[in-house]
Amino acid sequence: QVQLQQWGAGLLEPSETLSLTCGVSGGSFSGYYWSWIRQPPGKGLEWIGEISHTGSTNYNPSLKSRVTISVDTSKRQFSLKVSSVTAADTAVYYCARWDDGLPSMDVWGKGTTVTVSS
Amino acid sequence: DIQMTQSPSSLSASVGDRVTISCRASQDISNNLAWFQQKPGKAPKSLIFSASSLQSGVPSKFSGSGSGTDFTLTISSLQPEDFATYSCQQYNSYPYTFGQGTKLEIK
Repeated sequence: QVQLQQWGAGLLEPSETLSLTCGVSGGSFSGYYWSWIRQPPGKGLEWIGEISHTGSTNYNPSLKSRVTISVDTSKRQFSLKVSSVTAADTAVYYCARWDDGLPSMDVWGKGTTVTVSS
Repeated sequence: DIQMTQSPSSLSASVGDRVTISCRASQDISNNLAWFQQKPGKAPKSLIFSASSLQSGVPSKFSGSGSGTDFTLTISSLQPEDFATYSCQQYNSYPYTFGQGTKLEIK
């Protein structure tokens, strides 16, 4: 059974860089897109972007200038970096697996709360 | 970007009821729509993909329909564990976008 475990710093000051990593256990790492989604407090879900096991990426244009998603297939991990954070980046950040064969975002991490505050 | 609009934003219902949640896309997305259930403090759970296909392990009390711009999620015979927030998501084109969510509460 595929599980996603995510980790990273939960408290940042404005202008710092958010950094989160998601590890994949069980199942195949190749053949999927690995995604990041966030949810500000009391608001809906926002898709941030995704990466394939080969490193091919797609980003949300609203965040593209500040976001980098990378992959380390040897460790079965993928990572998110968001630069120059502000209070508007305060959210719960989720990693998820996109299965194009279904198609569906069928497996999710538990989420990491990131707070940006001075 | 494709805007996804759900209605209602909140809904009160009783155990045993059948409810319907609507999702409208700002442009034609064919059947490239998913539904998620989310409980407080938990990650979203995939219920339906391709507008009407049930995710593995999801009970048949959940059903989805629609294509183009108008979609519905129907939940029959509500049980206490079904009270949650439901969100739709389009994956017809990037960036993928979600509806604002519909909170289903116990009456």
